[in-house]
Amino acid sequence: NAGVMQNPRHLVRRRGQEARLRCSPMKGHSHVYWYRQLPEEGLKFMVYLQKENIIDESGMPKERFSAEFPKEGPSILRIQQVVRGDSAAYFCASSSEGPTNQPQHFGDGTRLSIL
Amino acid sequence: GQNIDQPTEMTATEGAIVQINCTYQTSGFNGLFWYQQHAGEAPTFLSYNVLDGLEEKGRFSSFLSRSKGYSYLLLKELQMKDSASYLCAVRDRRTGGFKTIFGAGTRLFVKA
Repeated sequence: NAGVMQNPRHLVRRRGQEARLRCSPMKGHSHVYWYRQLPEEGLKFMVYLQKENIIDESGMPKERFSAEFPKEGPSILRIQQVVRGDSAAYFCASSSEGPTNQPQHFGDGTRLSIL
Repeated sequence: GQNIDQPTEMTATEGAIVQINCTYQTSGFNGLFWYQQHAGEAPTFLSYNVLDGLEEKGRFSSFLSRSKGYSYLLLKELQMKDSASYLCAVRDRRTGGFKTIFGAGTRLFVKA
């Protein structure tokens, strides 16, 4: 399967714990985007990364949230000290170049539930 | 800033044609995408428009008018499996690069 791979598909955490969401882009893609989606709502942009660089993090909360895309390995979205409001579906997308006419390809998402 | 508007819900009959509209406001328009998203699944790419006019791809067509900040997605010969959310997304050119902004989506219900 050469698609965008996200894991885990479902993640349950208690308030105050840390959540780590992983995303492996499509083969040959070096641009990764993270989005958050609440039920019945659209995708909210969080962060755009290239290998080892954060290009745009304007959609990511300043506190508790961080993202990385190391030279080796998947992109990680990390949420520290989770709260109930963090419950959502988190989608990762990748593209082959910077934002061009090439569409973003999405993973199946991680459903994060906070108890 | 950016703003994307599309109807929240639409209902149509199997075999019919439905048009889903999208209006947008952006300072640096650089292309418009339509995605389909079934409940609980990932969005999948349907179409891309950057120039004015109609792009046809099988049962789906997408239209763009840049001067009006308007696009629509046309679905013909509707099938039950077309019941899904349809997301309009606009790529906006800005200092330092681009950003793709998604609308809230239009939930389409296809009835027999």
